[in-house]
Amino acid sequence: EAGVAQSPRYKIIEKRQSVAFWCNPISGHATLYWYQQILGQGPKLLIQFQNNGVVDDSQLPKDRFSAERLKGVDSTLKIQPAKLEDSAVYLCASSTDRLSGANVLTFGAGSRLTVL
Amino acid sequence: AQTVTQSQPEMSVQEAETVTLSCTYDTSESDYYLFWYKQPPSRQMILVIRQEAYKQQNATENRFSVNFQKAAKSFSLKISDSQLGDAAMYFCAYRRPRYGGSQGNLIFGKGTKLSVKP
Repeated sequence: EAGVAQSPRYKIIEKRQSVAFWCNPISGHATLYWYQQILGQGPKLLIQFQNNGVVDDSQLPKDRFSAERLKGVDSTLKIQPAKLEDSAVYLCASSTDRLSGANVLTFGAGSRLTVL
Repeated sequence: AQTVTQSQPEMSVQEAETVTLSCTYDTSESDYYLFWYKQPPSRQMILVIRQEAYKQQNATENRFSVNFQKAAKSFSLKISDSQLGDAAMYFCAYRRPRYGGSQGNLIFGKGTKLSVKP
């Protein structure tokens, strides 16, 4: 089974510029997550989708971050304008939506953003 | 709000020895899941082991086992016969119950960096 695909792997931008990250989850996984991992910290949830609907975006800085999951498959996370503190690895993960059991999150390799 | 605490920023173990990584969490829920994830340098996060809170029996996966103390809200990871490939960041994570008709998301600790000495 193919894993969670993310691109680009690395991106360097100047502050106030914009950037977009793309994620393609494992086929059939209804739930998709975007996490932000700042150096030296654990990942923090930005947004969670079930199919093409938002389940939780309470920690998404909506003045600069946006995300969409059109057609309930792949997803795009955008930052505009970027700030220095947005430098981080952006992790995408997906899971099934079975009604029972510990549905495990499978992570992509991440997109590392450096804001100068 | 749920929190996850990993009090050991760094740990070191000799190859073939045993090491235990600590994790405590705070929740008012009775039904939840706990996970340990491994993140090698510049590589993706992978699942090491998981534990259902309603199960009293501690989970084991080959050389990896947990000591789950529900009353104490403690969830430590034991790695036996440590190998060089075990060197990585280890994250403890709590999974919230289903929310909004969907799966609960993960809340992570800050991680423990494990070094393995040959």
